[in-house]
Amino acid sequence: AQSVTQLGSHVSVSEGALVLLRCNYSSSVPPYLFWYVQYPNQGLQLLLKYTSAATLVKGINGFEAEFKKSETSFHLTKPSAHMSDAAEYFCAVSDLGSSASKIIFGSGTRLSIRP
Amino acid sequence: GAVVSQHPSWVICKSGTSVKIECRSLDFQATTMFWYRQFPKQSLMLMATSNEGSKATYEQGVEKDKFLINHASLTLSTLTVTSAHPEDSSFYICSARDQTLSPHEQYFGPGTRLTVT
Repeated sequence: AQSVTQLGSHVSVSEGALVLLRCNYSSSVPPYLFWYVQYPNQGLQLLLKYTSAATLVKGINGFEAEFKKSETSFHLTKPSAHMSDAAEYFCAVSDLGSSASKIIFGSGTRLSIRP
Repeated sequence: GAVVSQHPSWVICKSGTSVKIECRSLDFQATTMFWYRQFPKQSLMLMATSNEGSKATYEQGVEKDKFLINHASLTLSTLTVTSAHPEDSSFYICSARDQTLSPHEQYFGPGTRLTVT
């Protein structure tokens, strides 16, 4: 069964600083990987996804993530944090090999931005 | 495209009553729908998966008699919380997939906040 582990339940960075949110996956088959953002009392918004094409994936709002098979990682980065980036971020995995695939979420990382 | 709606967006009900939440795919056929539950400051936990016209498959630990899922058409799935109790208060999010279009994409609804008093 596939799973994802998000390291750090809370990350705080200064406005303008680099954002790095960590995610490691476990999957017995090639995975699909996702990053979602959730603002308070709202649903999920897809930031980006890895689908076995390019290992460096660019998403919305200036975010990107790099798939590293050797490290089983899919960390999310943004060069310069903005106040509006403050939210909850979820890494998620889905397996490619099953027609009954489903998306499983990590525990989430709350990103705070300091002025 | 690929819009999923949920109704209601929030609901308050009394303990012991049942409440139904609807999930609709607005511009595609949802061959598979998923129901997730999210407690405050926690992640989304998959409750069940349903394919149109079939019985739902529940995740371990989810009571199928308490959380009734119906996926009677390719655009509508409903989750009924029966005999609701305060511990059922949560944020319920559905997602939908069109197996023929993209077998691994799931499109998420905006969520329904349930409060049981």
